[in-house]
Amino acid sequence: NAGVTQTPKFRVLKTGQSMTLLCAQDMNHEYMYWYRQDPGMGLRLIHYSVGEGTTAKGEVPDGYNVSRLKKQNFLLGLESAAPSQTSVYFCASSYGPYTGELFFGEGSRLTVL
Amino acid sequence: AQKITQTQPGMFVQEKEAVTLDCTYDTSDQSYGLFWYKQPSSGEMIFLIYQGSYDEQNATEGRYSLNFQKARKSANLVISASQLGDSAMYFCAMREIAGTASKLTFGTGTRLQVTL
Repeated sequence: NAGVTQTPKFRVLKTGQSMTLLCAQDMNHEYMYWYRQDPGMGLRLIHYSVGEGTTAKGEVPDGYNVSRLKKQNFLLGLESAAPSQTSVYFCASSYGPYTGELFFGEGSRLTVL
Repeated sequence: AQKITQTQPGMFVQEKEAVTLDCTYDTSDQSYGLFWYKQPSSGEMIFLIYQGSYDEQNATEGRYSLNFQKARKSANLVISASQLGDSAMYFCAMREIAGTASKLTFGTGTRLQVTL
């Protein structure tokens, strides 16, 4: 049972480079989320999606774009990476708004030099 | 204003003792959910316990219980009989629902260290 899978797990970028983080879930969940985790700040919501073809901004959306072309996939893009985007990124999913927990991926550590 | 506040950056507890991790929240919604997650040093997020705002009884899951005081807007996690493997970061989170949107907001976490 894969659950929520994030790729890549680690990446080092130079300032200005672009990249995409892929999140895939096999639980047929409607809701998917991208969070970033920084020391002392907990997890902060970047963008989320309530279903295929929909996306919405979270708490810290600037510098990121997302797409949900397929229900099982949620992509997070950095068009022009900045050192401030050095962080650990977590993808999560849930069945719906009224159900219980979020299921998390293992995290992706991104370093921008 | 912070929606989830965890005022204890770090806590120590002796093995086999109980420990309470504090969490207060701020919302004007009537329907919401409260969660606790554990993050060990390996980095994954592990779901521990959930409390719905309309649940009358405090949630319990094994050695974990959630002390839910709605009027005080607090949702403290109680870990009984601490084990060395409980050493980790613990995050409190709140789910608010607005229309079809459902977002989980996290606190800044409490690092728990269990000692011999």
